[in-house]
Amino acid sequence: DAKTTQPNSMESNEEEPVHLPCNHSTISGTDYIHWYRQLPSQGPEYVIHGLTSNVNNRMASLAIAEDRKSSTLILHRATLRDAAVYYCISQNQFYFGTGTSLTVIP
Amino acid sequence: DAGITQSPRHKVTETGTPVTLRCHQTENHRYMYWYRQDPGHGLRLIHYSYGVKDTDKGEVSDGYSVSRSKTEDFLLTLESATSSQTSVYFCAIRGHPYNEQFFGPGTRLTVL
Repeated sequence: DAKTTQPNSMESNEEEPVHLPCNHSTISGTDYIHWYRQLPSQGPEYVIHGLTSNVNNRMASLAIAEDRKSSTLILHRATLRDAAVYYCISQNQFYFGTGTSLTVIP
Repeated sequence: DAGITQSPRHKVTETGTPVTLRCHQTENHRYMYWYRQDPGHGLRLIHYSYGVKDTDKGEVSDGYSVSRSKTEDFLLTLESATSSQTSVYFCAIRGHPYNEQFFGPGTRLTVL
């Protein structure tokens, strides 16, 4: 069963880029990598997914290592509203772990 | 907005009483999930459903049962609530074809 590992917490200054890492060395070669975020007192929210190529959407960018053993969620300009817990999981994984708690400093 | 609602949003009950939580979706998704979230444990899967009357256990299913008699509704039942079941419960549906999950707003359950 694929598991992912993430740092427990990170800090960023407002309006600076944030790079949130995730290791997924046991992920299946055909499973997508999904990222979610959870704002305080809300349910998790889907952010982005990718397989091999880097991906961009209105919320974030996802950079996937060539060997697919790790990925990085990139928030290009952190805002106070980005303070949340961020989770990465493989598409067939149902254990979210505790994710990375991002603090944005004004 | 994935059209997922949960009811009730908050509930306080006493040990030993039965409790049913409801998840309702408006988008005809086949797969639905129940998770619980506790401090220090992240989200853990309780049960899931892959169609009407088709359900299976997740990681932490003891003390819980589920039912799905209609595509749009997935019910989670605590037959006899215990204090260890105090938690925030989230329902989710699975999108297609990338299996991304969309979550409801959650139900905060307190068992005294």
